Amino acid sequence: GENVEQHPSTLSVQEGDSAVIKCTYSDSASNYFPWYKQELGKRPQLIIDIRSNVGEKKDQRIAVTLNKTAKHFSLHITETQPEDSAVYFCAANGYGKLTFGQGTILTVHP
Amino acid sequence: ETGVTQTPRHLVMGMTNKKSLKCEQHLGHNAMYWYKQSAKKPLELMFVYNFKEQTENNSVPSRFSPECPNSSHLFLHLHTLQPEDSALYLCASSQDSSVLSGNTIYFGEGSWLTVV
Repeated sequence: GENVEQHPSTLSVQEGDSAVIKCTYSDSASNYFPWYKQELGKRPQLIIDIRSNVGEKKDQRIAVTLNKTAKHFSLHITETQPEDSAVYFCAANGYGKLTFGQGTILTVHP
Repeated sequence: ETGVTQTPRHLVMGMTNKKSLKCEQHLGHNAMYWYKQSAKKPLELMFVYNFKEQTENNSVPSRFSPECPNSSHLFLHLHTLQPEDSALYLCASSQDSSVLSGNTIYFGEGSWLTVV
């Protein structure tokens, strides 16, 4: 089945800095890559997704890039704020399943 | 946000108990899912229902028994669980289960289960 690797497992930044989380996937047929944010004690919520027909997508301070050749995609958060602190999960839809990465705990220090 | 609601939010049960988790979605979706979330592990897909039919059982032990009476409701019946089954159980829904079409999956708040 699909193998999704996510790095780093923890990321600590100062408020205002940028944060980058990277994921790799194994199924070259994967064509949908969502990112979820899960705050402590809350549900995972979709924050942005990208499909394989585009290389980059941006929504305010959040952007996702996709490199199909290398089979990796990344989440970029600019001008981080304390409320960005959460666990972030990437996912890919290879082999007919949505497989999640292991998660990245992002901490933004004021 | 009340798109996908789960009850109970917290459950403590003994290894010989029988209990059930309930999920209801108000989004008009046709697919529903159970995921298990344990510490330091990725979200694990357990079951998928599409138009009330089970389309996936991800090698889940029989002590977990799902039930989907209609497209809006999903249950997870629990029986003779083990302490290692303690986790957050997340229900989710999407328009349908066609992952290839990239349907967004919406999660409930989860049910925290502790097996003692």
